[in-house]
Amino acid sequence: QVQLVDSGGGVVQPGRSLRLSCAASGFTFSNYGMHWVRQAPGKGLEWVAVISYDGSNKYYADSVKGRFTISRDNFKNTLYLQMNSLTAEDTAVYYCAKRFDDSGSYYPAFDFWGQGTLVTVSS
Amino acid sequence: QTVVTQEPSFSVSPGGTITLTCGLSSGSVSTSYYPTWYQQTPGQAPRTLIYSTNTRSSGVPDRFSGSILGNKAALTITGAQADDESDYYCVLYMGGGISVFGGGTKLTVL
Repeated sequence: QVQLVDSGGGVVQPGRSLRLSCAASGFTFSNYGMHWVRQAPGKGLEWVAVISYDGSNKYYADSVKGRFTISRDNFKNTLYLQMNSLTAEDTAVYYCAKRFDDSGSYYPAFDFWGQGTLVTVSS
Repeated sequence: QTVVTQEPSFSVSPGGTITLTCGLSSGSVSTSYYPTWYQQTPGQAPRTLIYSTNTRSSGVPDRFSGSILGNKAALTITGAQADDESDYYCVLYMGGGISVFGGGTKLTVL
């Protein structure tokens, strides 16, 4: 069965970096575009980034552009989110999510989500 | 900066019908935005209800339906049940790889 396991969250000081991982199993990871979505405590969902099935195309929300980098390792079936220059506004649960189809489209229709990993940016 | 708008809260009686909407701060929502709807209960990851305007995700009962109503995307729940009490989010695809979520609607069933 499909599983997405998010990890790498924790407490980090403002200005520092953190890398999140999403380990995928139960499907052909290299066929699917993948997204990161976050949710600040008590707030709504925010789309963060998307990467194409082969890693050749990446797109970001304005709020993270230039600071965050989405990447993937199709041999390790793992999605990553490198987060630099973190601020308190980046405090959130971060979810990876799998597109429901392998059409190559980027619109955020997901069939599976990770369980989320909490990032807390605080001094 | 494009803002996706949703009603902050709504209430419905058990067995009732309700329509939640998803609009744009400027302009009209069309199928080209591939509106997608998610349901989320506290502490859980979201669950996909509707994608690409009106396609139900696998396992979603047919009392959930999506459409375009006027200049907004809409999620209609017929025969509301107690366990429909959740937060509902829409997301619109802006093109160029970019997507934007609405602020969410907190639905109360009482």
